[in-house]
Amino acid sequence: DAGVTQTPRHEVAEKGQTIILKCEPVSGHNDLFWYRQTKIQGLELLSYFRSKSLMEDGGAFKDRFKAEMLNSSFSTLKIQPTEPKDSAVYLCASSVLGGSSQNTLYFGAGTRLSVL
Amino acid sequence: GDSVTQTEGQVALSEEDFLTIHCNYSASGYPTLFWYVQYPGEGPQLLFRASRDKEKGSSRGFEATYDKGTTSFHLRKASVQESDSAVYYCALTPPRIFFGDGTQLVVKP
Repeated sequence: DAGVTQTPRHEVAEKGQTIILKCEPVSGHNDLFWYRQTKIQGLELLSYFRSKSLMEDGGAFKDRFKAEMLNSSFSTLKIQPTEPKDSAVYLCASSVLGGSSQNTLYFGAGTRLSVL
Repeated sequence: GDSVTQTEGQVALSEEDFLTIHCNYSASGYPTLFWYVQYPGEGPQLLFRASRDKEKGSSRGFEATYDKGTTSFHLRKASVQESDSAVYYCALTPPRIFFGDGTQLVVKP
């Protein structure tokens, strides 16, 4: 089975640019999460979808971060406009609802974003 | 509110040393507890999980026992290898997943 796929693996942006990160969850999974990972803050939840409906978006990230789930097999995270402090690894994860693996997150390899 | 506390930010050991990474949690009821491991350049992956008091989770020589009395889920391994060098996260759910701050394990040959 294919795992969670994130593209691109690396992204370099100029301050003020708009960037879009992409995620394909594990087929059949109902929940999708976007996290930001930094050494200082660790894993921070940006957005959480269940069956394509937005269940939670991290309050501190609302103004410039927008996650969408266009269909059950594809999600995007848009950052507009980017700032140098957005430099981090962005992780997408999915999980299945029900069964023995409920609530277990399957992560992609992440997108490393550098904002100059 | 629900939370997870990992005491050690970084642990440095030599091969064949005994490992303990402490994890304490705060939650009502019986949360499910997890250990995830993250290798460089990869996302976190599940090491194992436990859902009931006194349940032991284990994988790849690592183990942890769910202890509701002390609200703990400490990770242990009897003899670490250089290949175990990674970041380890303790986590709990529900209502949604809460991660600890992570512990960087460095194992020297």
